[in-house]
Amino acid sequence: NAGVTQTPKFQVLKTGQSMTLQCAQDMNHEYMSWYRQDPGMGLRLIHYSVGAGITDQGEVPNGYNVSRSTTEDFPLRLLSAAPSQTSVYFCASRKSSGSSYNEQFFGPGTRLTVL
Amino acid sequence: AQSVTQLGSHVSVSEGALVLLRCNYSSSVPPYLFWYVQYPNQGLQLLLKYTSAATLVKGINGFEAEFKKSETSFHLTKPSAHMSDAAEYFCAVSEGGGYQKVTFGTGTKLQVIP
Repeated sequence: NAGVTQTPKFQVLKTGQSMTLQCAQDMNHEYMSWYRQDPGMGLRLIHYSVGAGITDQGEVPNGYNVSRSTTEDFPLRLLSAAPSQTSVYFCASRKSSGSSYNEQFFGPGTRLTVL
Repeated sequence: AQSVTQLGSHVSVSEGALVLLRCNYSSSVPPYLFWYVQYPNQGLQLLLKYTSAATLVKGINGFEAEFKKSETSFHLTKPSAHMSDAAEYFCAVSEGGGYQKVTFGTGTKLQVIP
């Protein structure tokens, strides 16, 4: 199993540009989440999904959009990039039930810089 | 609302010394508690978790944590630090139910001095 994969690893954008961060998992996990990590602030939840076709907002959703058309994929879209969105983005997935259902598996992250 | 406080953003220990990373939580219901480790330029990896079974939880790489309800604490310890333990450690809390949103602390960077 590849686990949780994220692309790209690094990205530089100009203010106002849009882009999509890709996330995929091959563990058949129902729950998927996007977090951003900023120095001294830990991880903050952006959006999450409890299954294909179902998404909801987290703590810091403004400026981001998500969709979940398949169990495997959960892309994060930046609609109009702003310098405040410079951060490291992590995708995570986990099971919805059964043993170890509350253990999250994280991808390697995408480092985004907005100029 | 649930929250987590990690005391000390940076902790330095000598190789072979005790590691103690502090975490206090706030939760309106019996919580699930987690410790994650993040090595440089990597994602987070689960070290251990408390889910209302034994209050002393053992994790990977020799780490353990004790859930103390009276102190609302879940401190992480390791008897003898190794150079490979240098990383950032995050405490997290979840109140369960449905999706179970997880709230992370701000992290503690552990430096191990040879």
